[in-house]
Amino acid sequence: QQPVQSPQAVILREGEDAVINCSSSKALYSVHWYRQKHGEAPVFLMILLKGGEQKGHDKISASFNEKKQQSSLYLTASQLSYSGTYFCATRDFGNEKLTFGTGTRLTIIP
Amino acid sequence: DAGVTQSPTHLIKTRGQQVTLRCSPKSGHDTVSWYQQALGQGPQFIFQYYEEEERQRGNFPDRFSGHQFPNYSSELNVNALLLGDSALYLCASSRGPDYEQYFGPGTRLTVT
Repeated sequence: QQPVQSPQAVILREGEDAVINCSSSKALYSVHWYRQKHGEAPVFLMILLKGGEQKGHDKISASFNEKKQQSSLYLTASQLSYSGTYFCATRDFGNEKLTFGTGTRLTIIP
Repeated sequence: DAGVTQSPTHLIKTRGQQVTLRCSPKSGHDTVSWYQQALGQGPQFIFQYYEEEERQRGNFPDRFSGHQFPNYSSELNVNALLLGDSALYLCASSRGPDYEQYFGPGTRLTVT
């Protein structure tokens, strides 16, 4: 079962904040966040492990609610370079593969 | 420090043919995972290699096979190509099966 992300798409003005949510129906070992620009490979942003929260970049942070099997990615004071499609990817217990979410397309306008 | 590299960049094949894609992991990484990404979709896990063995496999037919070499590089082979195999094939490496994965630029495969 693929993790579900919300919103599917969002348009922001430069400097605004965004939150992207990721929800799974399975007990999760870890959640990974990636950003993919059109025609390029996904770029690793950060990983969140069960029992912890890890911040990968200055203005990009994330949280992991183990009880609800949900994760959220927070983008603060968005920049034009933040545009792209964001994917969460989850790893279940006893399973080493990553399952990518449905994706969220983020567009930042000047 | 070189990142993950893949070859070729683009490939056009005819239905029924066979193809081999190659991946060199990031320095210090020993685990390679392969993904298929159709247009407008997220990457779909094909399989993962660690210590030259396939550790886990996604929902892909046996036409998809792979190999990992002692230097940790890897190949993805697809036999009897179908039109539906047209996609971006991504390789990702990590410093172990439990760690974050870094993606290569991908190979765009077109099957006509």
